Amino acid sequence: DGGITQSPKYLFRKEGQNVTLSCEQNLNHDAMYWYRQDPGQGLRLIYYSQIVNDFQKGDIAEGYSVSREKKESFPLTVTSAQKNPTAFYLCASSPPPRTGGTEAFFGQGTRLTVV
Amino acid sequence: RKEVEQDPGPFNVPEGATVAFNCTYSNSASQSFFWYRQDCRKEPKLLMSVYSSGNEDGRFTAQLNRASQYISLLIRDSKLSDSATYLCVVNRYRDDKIIFGKGTRLHILP
Repeated sequence: DGGITQSPKYLFRKEGQNVTLSCEQNLNHDAMYWYRQDPGQGLRLIYYSQIVNDFQKGDIAEGYSVSREKKESFPLTVTSAQKNPTAFYLCASSPPPRTGGTEAFFGQGTRLTVV
Repeated sequence: RKEVEQDPGPFNVPEGATVAFNCTYSNSASQSFFWYRQDCRKEPKLLMSVYSSGNEDGRFTAQLNRASQYISLLIRDSKLSDSATYLCVVNRYRDDKIIFGKGTRLHILP
């Protein structure tokens, strides 16, 4: 079945550590996105990628890094520079919005907690 | 002004009532519009697209007013299962961004 998979579902990080969140899709989508969601808040865009080997900063990119070496994969690294990383992280993929507007598919999310 | 704004609610509505949400957007560039639904501690899922002519899917009706830059969602005969957060979403063509509003929380009361 086609879909988008995030792992792990829950992640605990010690202060000062870098952690990497995985996002894989087999929907053949060009565009992939990372969002952060805090309790009672909406989704804020961290990074997005329209094509392999290219990505752009979103609204809250500081303290995060990404790579897009393969079409299927868009991992997010939460670095020690991110001062308040505890949040719910959502990865999404879609055909490029400019192609006519189609839905974004989300993974089930990763809950990151700093301990 | 934020690109996409919604009333955060919560809206507490008795079962069977009709409820309406509005969402305003600030960018008039070419883009398309959607409503997503997000259940507690889950990922968002597409509820419906929003077309210029308005569109209906069962108890749900979505409308777009480009002149006033807002979209709306109407839920008729609300059910307990409609309790969720409803997210207004804009797909912006010029940079392929998908922009979410903060969402409106809806509680349907028995």
